[in-house]
This record gives sequence, structure tokens and C-alpha cells, in this order.
Amino acid sequence: RKEVEQDPGPFNVPEGATVAFNCTYSNSASQSFFWYRQDCRKEPKLLMSVYSSGNEDGRFTAQLNRASQYISLLIRDSKLSDSATYLCVVNKGGYQKVTFGTGTKLQVIP
Amino acid sequence: NAGVTQTPKFQVLKTGQSMTLQCAQDMNHEYMSWYRQDPGMGLRLIHYSVGAGITDQGEVPNGYNVSRSTTEDFPLRLLSAAPSQTSVYFCASRGPLAGIYNEQFFGPGTRLTVL
Repeated sequence: RKEVEQDPGPFNVPEGATVAFNCTYSNSASQSFFWYRQDCRKEPKLLMSVYSSGNEDGRFTAQLNRASQYISLLIRDSKLSDSATYLCVVNKGGYQKVTFGTGTKLQVIP
Repeated sequence: NAGVTQTPKFQVLKTGQSMTLQCAQDMNHEYMSWYRQDPGMGLRLIHYSVGAGITDQGEVPNGYNVSRSTTEDFPLRLLSAAPSQTSVYFCASRGPLAGIYNEQFFGPGTRLTVL
């Protein structure tokens, strides 16, 4: 089983739709969790951290479920500019213990 | 602040050639790292450094060398390029380990093709 698994997609959704991605992780001792966004042929950039109690940033909501070992990202009112690949990142503690998922591609269509 | 910078943006090498990918950051971050990104594989850690003079291997270190003589610079050397090293290379830096939610900042990447 991969350490971090994501559905590669693509998720094709119309503008204004709500879309959710999940990411599962295998190590129950993982300490911190993130969603990064990567535009085509660009570097990854932090979208948001994922805290135990869940957190929201505008149209984006992140949740952590430690019991089932997954994190989720919900995007409401999708915009064309949300089209990108979303990377799930899990930190088991220690500099070399950060694992990136392969990403979920989102395409928002007019 | 320029953040993390990388040069070159693109490079084509022939098998057996060597080259150095440059990386610099101006955020005074102790931690720097090199990743490669291949389709379907995600970002994989090549080498990392927790400060000047300290480097260590990541998940896929073979064929690459690093050094860290200053806080700002962390070059990656390909010793004898192979087609399997065709990839996109990202340099990243972040703040102290104690901040487990510290953001990693990435450079714009170097697209390397080895013929």
C-alpha cells in the first residue's frame, strides 16, 4: 500500500459546483497534513494546512479523520481558476518524512 | 524577497554528461531539499540539508551529489547523466523542524532531458 494515496482524476466539474477530494495515508503516527496546489508546469504551492478540528479558508474546507486515516478537501462554488492538481502531503515528523501524494487533477469547465 | 530561485529552467544533456542545478533561497531557512517529479510518481526526495555543512540522502539519491557551504545555496550535481534522470527537479526550503506546520517553499523547477 502506498504511504499516501489519491484518486488521480481528472475531476471535471462545472463552474459553481462543489467538489471534494479524499486522500488516505498509511502511517497512523503521521503528525501534520497539508494540501498543496500545483498548476500545470509550475511549482507546488501551499493551499492550506489540515488541522485536527478541521479548518476553512474561504471556499475551501479541509478535514482530518485520524480514525480512518484520511484527509479531505472540499471546494465550494468552483471557479475556472481552481483548475489545477491538488497534492496531499503528510508529515510523519522529521525532515525526510514528508510524503507527497501523486495529486488529483481538477478541471473546472464553463 | 525572491524566495527560492533555480537555474537553469530547462536543460538538455547527453548521456554521460555532468551538470549542476543551482538553487538559492533568501528566507534564511536552515532546511533545503531537492525533489524530482515524474508522471504518476509524485514528488520524491533526492537529498536534503538541515544547515550549512550538513546533508543527507532522501528516497532516490543515486546519481546525485549535493553540498551546502552556505545557508543560501544548495546545488545539485548530476555526476553522469542517464536517461532515467529525465525529470522535473524542484528545490524547496522551509523553516525549523519544530514547526510541524511550517510551509515548504518551492523554486520554479528545472526541466531536464537526458538523451
